[in-house]
Amino acid sequence: EVQLLESGGGLVQPGGSLRLSCAASGFTFSSYAMSWVRQAPGKGLEWVSGIVGSGGSTYYADSVKGRFTISRDNSKNTLYLQMNSLRAEDTAVYYCAKRAIVGTTKGAFDSWGQGTMVTVSS
Amino acid sequence: DIQMTQSPSSLSASVGDRVTITCRASQGISNYLAWYQQKPGKVPRLLIYAASTLQSGVPSRFSGSGSGTDFTLTISSLQPEDVAIYYCQKYNSAPLTFGQGTRLEIK
Repeated sequence: EVQLLESGGGLVQPGGSLRLSCAASGFTFSSYAMSWVRQAPGKGLEWVSGIVGSGGSTYYADSVKGRFTISRDNSKNTLYLQMNSLRAEDTAVYYCAKRAIVGTTKGAFDSWGQGTMVTVSS
Repeated sequence: DIQMTQSPSSLSASVGDRVTITCRASQGISNYLAWYQQKPGKVPRLLIYAASTLQSGVPSRFSGSGSGTDFTLTISSLQPEDVAIYYCQKYNSAPLTFGQGTRLEIK
């Protein structure tokens, strides 16, 4: 059974930093592209960032480019999101999500974690 | 970037009704279109991928169609447990944009 468990959320001041983690199990982690998706309170889903299975290519939404960095440690089956220069509008639940097709970035998101809440406020 | 626009934004229908939600891409995306269901307080769930392929375990009353720029999600006979927000998403290339969502309620 695929399991994705996010951690690292919390309250941070504007301009601060936070690192999110997503521990994966139940599948060959290194074979799948992964993404972070966020959802602000009462709002819709927003794709944030993606990374291929090898970690060699990364992708970002314009809203976070230059501030957020996605990475992965395939030896630890863990996905990360380093968030710097945080703003109030980054307040959201952050989900990690697994792409459905092995070895490609062409799959939909077939598994989601439970999410971790990030609140940016003074 | 390609924009994804869903309609309607909200919908109220009776149990047993046939319900259709549409999603339009601002440029062609072939069939790289997924539909997700998010029930209140829950994690999004993949319903349909490749525009029309039902994800394992999803009831057969859900179906999808379309290609290029215009897509539809249909619920053939609405059930009370289908109350949720439905999102479309393009996933052919980054950014993997979601539609704004369609809130479905029971009348």
